[in-house]
Amino acid sequence: SQQGEEDPQALSIQEGENATMNCSYKTSINNLQWYRQNSGRGLVHLILIRSNEREKHSGRLRVTLDTSKKSSSLLITASRAADTASYFCATDGGNTPLVFGKGTRLSVIA
Amino acid sequence: DAGVTQSPTHLIKTRGQQVTLRCSPKSGHDTVSWYQQALGQGPQFIFQYYEEEERQRGNFPDRFSGHQFPNYSSELNVNALLLGDSALYLCASSSDRLNSPLHFGNGTRLTVT
Repeated sequence: SQQGEEDPQALSIQEGENATMNCSYKTSINNLQWYRQNSGRGLVHLILIRSNEREKHSGRLRVTLDTSKKSSSLLITASRAADTASYFCATDGGNTPLVFGKGTRLSVIA
Repeated sequence: DAGVTQSPTHLIKTRGQQVTLRCSPKSGHDTVSWYQQALGQGPQFIFQYYEEEERQRGNFPDRFSGHQFPNYSSELNVNALLLGDSALYLCASSSDRLNSPLHFGNGTRLTVT
């Protein structure tokens, strides 16, 4: 079963715009992670935010976490065509395996 | 520094057959996890190996089994293949530390006909 639920399922934006993806989950977590997957390839780890953190930045990525609402968001600023991929949130319960959502398919149009 | 490598990249099998997929973890990693990803879905956890033992298992039937070798490499075996087993099988390695992210291989695309 999948714990994380990304929203929207698909997103299409113009190059240079910002892209925001949301993730909701159901149970308590130790951390939440975001991964990226180019078509038919493996997932690449983007960023990890611990349960006691509220916001984290990495380059053009900004992640927020609201444990009271059991939700997270991933913001990609100044998007590029190369950002076109599927993005997954994954929750880590500590002693449980990483559980992935169904993903958001992002298309960035040049 | 080689990342996670998986073989083969593609495989076509017939219903009822058996298949073995292989994975070499990233250097320095001792934990290997296997995921199944159906088209358009997120990865589903199959099982995780650490110190040559299956440490955790997801909701998959006994037809799915695995092994980890002393050099930390791993195999995933699937017996009595069903059409529904067609998917991308992903191997991920990590270190056995808290908050250690997963490093994925590019997967094996299995097609069952």
